[in-house]
Amino acid sequence: GAVVSQHPSWVICKSGTSVKIECRSLDFQATTMFWYRQFPKQSLMLMATSNEGSKATYEQGVEKDKFLINHASLTLSTLTVTSAHPEDSSFYICSAILRGRDYEQYFGPGTRLTVT
Amino acid sequence: LAKTTQPISMDSYEGQEVNITCSHNNIATNDYITWYQQFPSQGPRFIIQGYKTKVTNEVASLFIPADRKSSTLSLPRVSLSDTAVYYCLVGDVRDSSASKIIFGSGTRLSIRP
Repeated sequence: GAVVSQHPSWVICKSGTSVKIECRSLDFQATTMFWYRQFPKQSLMLMATSNEGSKATYEQGVEKDKFLINHASLTLSTLTVTSAHPEDSSFYICSAILRGRDYEQYFGPGTRLTVT
Repeated sequence: LAKTTQPISMDSYEGQEVNITCSHNNIATNDYITWYQQFPSQGPRFIIQGYKTKVTNEVASLFIPADRKSSTLSLPRVSLSDTAVYYCLVGDVRDSSASKIIFGSGTRLSIRP
């Protein structure tokens, strides 16, 4: 099946620094990518929808200036957490929609972010 | 957006069949029903998807009644490795501008020896 990768798989950063997370669709072109955040023992919360070549659409309550999303190509979307704080520590997961089979959503393995 | 309701948790034993039911009373005409499995610290994994009636693949079956207001994921002969959280999602990812895939609370399935 289709594969979505994320890099890094885990990252520790100091408060106030920025962290970039990459999401790649390895063997298909992704029309749309989604970014989710998941806190321990909780469900996934949709943060934003990323369409190639256009600005991301953010969910209510998600600060677009803090969580910068760039979808520069059909195989890569990046999420940058700017000026990270301990409360941003979470599990970040991306997903991609397979072009041509648009009703299948494939998820990446997730990135564990810890802000100290 | 179609909201989903699932049991918070379920327990079963190895070798048993497990059925997890999801309610989605306000499902839209274009919505599909998709089930995902998630292990701790991993991204969700696609299990099965359907629109109506019954769908079966190598790992599960999905039963959808005619009114589509609910669906049941059936896992035959579960093993310890099936212990995970199972999410029922309803939506039409083909139209990402109008419909977003929103995760419900999921069902935490625990399988015992």
